[in-house]
Amino acid sequence: QSALTQPASVSGSPGQSITISCTGTSSDVGGYNFVSWYQQHPGKAPKLMIYDVTNRPSGVSNRFSGSKSGNTASLTISGLQAEDEADYYCSSYTSSSTYVFGTGTKVTVL
Amino acid sequence: QVQLVESGGGVVQPGRSLRLSCAASGFTFSSYSMHWVRQAPGTGLEWVAVISDDGGNKYYADSVKGRFTISRDNSKSTVYLQMNSLRAEDTAVYYCARDLTGSTWDYWGQGTLVTVSS
Repeated sequence: QSALTQPASVSGSPGQSITISCTGTSSDVGGYNFVSWYQQHPGKAPKLMIYDVTNRPSGVSNRFSGSKSGNTASLTISGLQAEDEADYYCSSYTSSSTYVFGTGTKVTVL
Repeated sequence: QVQLVESGGGVVQPGRSLRLSCAASGFTFSSYSMHWVRQAPGTGLEWVAVISDDGGNKYYADSVKGRFTISRDNSKSTVYLQMNSLRAEDTAVYYCARDLTGSTWDYWGQGTLVTVSS
C-alpha cells in the first residue's frame, strides 16, 4: 500500500487560509468516506483534527475543515494562527481492510 | 479521562524479539478496536496493525505481516504487539491508539521507542 500524496510544505501568514491536499486512489481515499486528519507538534503524539472527511471532534477549532472530491481529500485551516504550525497527516481506510497515512505536510506560519 | 500508556520499548539486536504493551484506562476497553502506529525518526506515520474489540479480527501492514502479532487482554485493558525477526527498518516510536469509528484514532499514547541495532 503506497502512502497517500501530500505536499511537503505549505505556508501562510497569520489570518490567512491554507489548504492541504491528500491524493490517493479509488482503493482508499476515493472509495470510502473514511479520511481523517492529524496534527503533530514536534515530539508529541498526533492529535485528531478531522474524521470521516468532514467531521470535527469536540474541542477542535472550527477553523479546521475537511472535504473530498474524487481521490483527493483536503484540509483547510482558516484564520491561520501561530499555534497551527505543525506537521499534518491524512489517513484513509483501504480496500484491503488496512489503513494508509499521507506523506505529511509541514505547515509554516510566516 | 482516557489514557493509553505504552511500555516495552528499548534497544534490541536485529533478528531478536520484543513485546510492546499498551495499558488503557478511562474507558470501556472491550468496546473498542485498538491500533499500533509507528514513526521512524524524522519520518512520517505508518500504520502497523489493528485488533477488533473482541480480538477476533486482526489486520497488518505488509511491512510487518508474518513477523508482528497484535493481541489483547480485555480483562487487563491491555493491547500487545509481539515483534519478531526485528530489522533495522523497524526502528521507530510505536504508538497505540484507540479506534473511534473504525477508521479514526481519537486517543493516542505517548509512544515507546524501539531501536533495532547491533
